[in-house]
Amino acid sequence: RKEVEQDPGPFNVPEGATVAFNCTYSNSASQSFFWYRQDCRKEPKLLMSVYSSGNEDGRFTAQLNRASQYISLLIRDSKLSDSATYLCVLNTGNQFYFGTGTSLTVIP
Amino acid sequence: GAGVSQTPSNKVTEKGKYVELRCDPISGHTALYWYRQSLGQGPEFLIYFQGTGAADDSGLPNDRFFAVRPEGSVSTLKIQRTERGDSAVYLCASSLGDRSYNSPLHFGNGTRLTVT
Repeated sequence: RKEVEQDPGPFNVPEGATVAFNCTYSNSASQSFFWYRQDCRKEPKLLMSVYSSGNEDGRFTAQLNRASQYISLLIRDSKLSDSATYLCVLNTGNQFYFGTGTSLTVIP
Repeated sequence: GAGVSQTPSNKVTEKGKYVELRCDPISGHTALYWYRQSLGQGPEFLIYFQGTGAADDSGLPNDRFFAVRPEGSVSTLKIQRTERGDSAVYLCASSLGDRSYNSPLHFGNGTRLTVT
């Protein structure tokens, strides 16, 4: 069983839409969680950490549900520049585990 | 400040040849990771260093792959007798390591390896 499960999409949404991605994880000992963004033929870049109480950064909101073992990313008012692959990542203390990524395309 | 640096950015080699990929992490980051990524997939873990020692090499696919980090900074991933299936983007990342488990990974630009 994979450590992290993520719907690969693709998600195609119009500009201005709200879109949400989820990841589930299997290791209850997971300690920290992150969302990364990866553009085509580029390296992953940290989008935001995910805190237990949930956190927001502009149009982006991340949430963690330890009881159900999932994390989510909500993007409001989607922009064309949000088109990318979004990777959820968890850290078990020493090891980082990646989801396969969810592809998002924002359409004009 | 300087980020994670990987060289070369692109490497084309013939099947059966030996290649070395270099990673220079962020200064002060004790943890260094190597990943491999194929098109449409998430990064696949290869090996993780804490300081000079390989803390976890369970992701190395076979004994043709080897990595070192002799002084706890720069790391080299070595691939012997390359095969076409080794073609991928090899990503290096560093983090603060044991000092902060909340520390995220910071990636280099990757080395795109093509085995012909």
